[in-house]
Amino acid sequence: AQSVAQPEDQVNVAEGNPLTVKCTYSVSGNPYLFWYVQYPNRGLQFLLKYITGDNLVKGSYGFEAEFNKSQTSFHLKKPSALVSDSALYFCAVRRSNDYKLSFGAGTTVTVRA
Amino acid sequence: DGGITQSPKYLFRKEGQNVTLSCEQNLNHDAMYWYRQDPGQGLRLIYYSQIVNDFQKGDIAEGYSVSREKKESFPLTVTSAQKNPTAFYLCASSIPPQVPFMNTEAFFGQGTRLTVV
Repeated sequence: AQSVAQPEDQVNVAEGNPLTVKCTYSVSGNPYLFWYVQYPNRGLQFLLKYITGDNLVKGSYGFEAEFNKSQTSFHLKKPSALVSDSALYFCAVRRSNDYKLSFGAGTTVTVRA
Repeated sequence: DGGITQSPKYLFRKEGQNVTLSCEQNLNHDAMYWYRQDPGQGLRLIYYSQIVNDFQKGDIAEGYSVSREKKESFPLTVTSAQKNPTAFYLCASSIPPQVPFMNTEAFFGQGTRLTVV
């Protein structure tokens, strides 16, 4: 079985401050890890992924994430948050050779001006 | 313009009726997925399909059915057996996971909000 945990339902930060959204995963074999963002009543937009290689991956809109195999984590980060980053963020995992893609419960990010 | 199209955006169903949600993609992806989204529960996998004429149950398949007669299309039927069908439904597609170092992320449609009245 595979699963994703996003331990924080909500994250609140001030604009200009660093933003971190936490994600841990459980999967057998090599993981493919993804972050998506969702705005109200819309589909999910892809932000970034870890497949192999460097543990620090960079994605869209200034976001980055660090893969930590020993801690089975893939936390999303942004050095300086913007009000427009306020949205619902999802972490997802699948095994490298499998079609099944599993999502976490999501974290609502609110960035105050 | 490539992408995934879900229709309709809003759908209302009377209790006891079946209803079919449409999902079409022109990305030439082999894999397609249906997810259900409820507040606080994230995305839960209903069904997925690896290739035409093949599909597998996800984590919450009861009360749902799918077909995959064409590569481009993966319709989802919400049957009267689904006890609580009111939710936001998302369709996605991706390339096969066996293709190394390619764009393995899933692409999502804009969703269909189903309400039982």
